[in-house]
Amino acid sequence: GEDVEQSLFLSVREGDSSVINCTYTDSSSTYLYWYKQEPGAGLQLLTYIFSNMDMKQDQRLTVLLNKKDKHLSLRIADTQTGDSAIYFCAESREYGNKLVFGAGTILRVKS
Amino acid sequence: EPEVTQTPSHQVTQMGQEVILRCVPISNHLYFYWYRQILGQKVEFLVSFYNNEISEKSEIFDDQFSVERPDGSNFTLKIRSTKLEDSAMYFCASIRGTGLSYEQYFGPGTRLTVT
Repeated sequence: GEDVEQSLFLSVREGDSSVINCTYTDSSSTYLYWYKQEPGAGLQLLTYIFSNMDMKQDQRLTVLLNKKDKHLSLRIADTQTGDSAIYFCAESREYGNKLVFGAGTILRVKS
Repeated sequence: EPEVTQTPSHQVTQMGQEVILRCVPISNHLYFYWYRQILGQKVEFLVSFYNNEISEKSEIFDDQFSVERPDGSNFTLKIRSTKLEDSAMYFCASIRGTGLSYEQYFGPGTRLTVT
């Protein structure tokens, strides 16, 4: 079945880059997403990538996809204290299909 | 910027009572979803809704659950007889469904506490 795994915790210093990793099992995954959740808040869509892409950049965010290894990463450049949150990786097979989420990675940014 | 809204933000109910969670998806969106997140656990898919019918549902979405789009703007999740294990954050989401828009947008959630 579908499964998405993430490391639980990442701690970085302000100004450094953060790299959050995710692996998924479903080879039919077509769309891969990153969401951010701040305490007590909903899920904010950060970015997404199609399975036929290797990389996508959006301002401070860079998504890398290794489809062969089913590995997805999110790099946040110049990490700020406001980036402290839980980051969820999610995948979807087809357009309009459900999202399958990982357990989330807690990012802590130390000033 | 358009957003998905949900009401109430927090609902406390007694076991066995019915609850209705309300969502207003983004106005030009066609696919609608409910997810839930039990405290400390993964976000789990419950149900998807398209063209006025359920398109997919998970094992969690049993006969106690139902969804409805009673008018052109609201999308509701009803739990007929709540159990303690229904306590969770419930998220509504929507996606446009046309063109090249693949973003699934989430509402802020309703925290349901069953006592």
